[in-house]
Amino acid sequence: GESVGLHLPTLSVQEGDNSIINCAYSNSASDYFIWYKQESGKGPQFIIDIRSNMDKRQGQRVTVLLNKTVKHLSLQIAATQPGDSAVYFCAEGQAGTALIFGKGTTLSVSS
Amino acid sequence: GAGVSQSPRYKVAKRGQDVALRCDPISGHVSLFWYQQALGQGPEFLTYFQNEAQLDKSGLPSDRFFAERPEGSVSTLKIQRTQQEDSAVYLCASSLALSGTGAEKLFFGSGTQLSVL
Repeated sequence: GESVGLHLPTLSVQEGDNSIINCAYSNSASDYFIWYKQESGKGPQFIIDIRSNMDKRQGQRVTVLLNKTVKHLSLQIAATQPGDSAVYFCAEGQAGTALIFGKGTTLSVSS
Repeated sequence: GAGVSQSPRYKVAKRGQDVALRCDPISGHVSLFWYQQALGQGPEFLTYFQNEAQLDKSGLPSDRFFAERPEGSVSTLKIQRTQQEDSAVYLCASSLALSGTGAEKLFFGSGTQLSVL
């Protein structure tokens, strides 16, 4: 079946570096994509979303890029901080259906 | 309240026991979702409510799982005759928007961690 997945299960970076977390999706009919951050013992927290008719969206220290040609989504975190350490999920959605989550990438930031 | 509240935070059940998990969504949020998250995995959809109506229960893994939201606010997920494979974190999320409008910002609770022995 169609699903959303992430390329790498773990990513380790140094404090201050830029981080790039990738996600491949297979459902070309998805209307929007969302990145969530999940800290240990907590529920997922919304970071940023992007609609399928866009290819880039920027937030505070985060940028999401969408490449529909290769069905690829990425989350860029600028000047990564220890507080960014968490599991990051991409999720895809269509009007009328529930969000489908990928498996997650664990980001570890060392100072 | 400040956010989505779930109780209990942890639940240990003996195999065969019935459990009830509670979710208090953010006041005024129309949509309510239940997700199941196995260790090391992403959340998987279980069921969805719009006000008191359960519009989608396609993700419920068996007829042992039942969810309700009788007054369109608090929701309860009930699992009957629990099995070891039911062990997971059960997440509740609410949204102000009606599902289907796209890109709903879901607000998640911290979940109930269920362990079935």
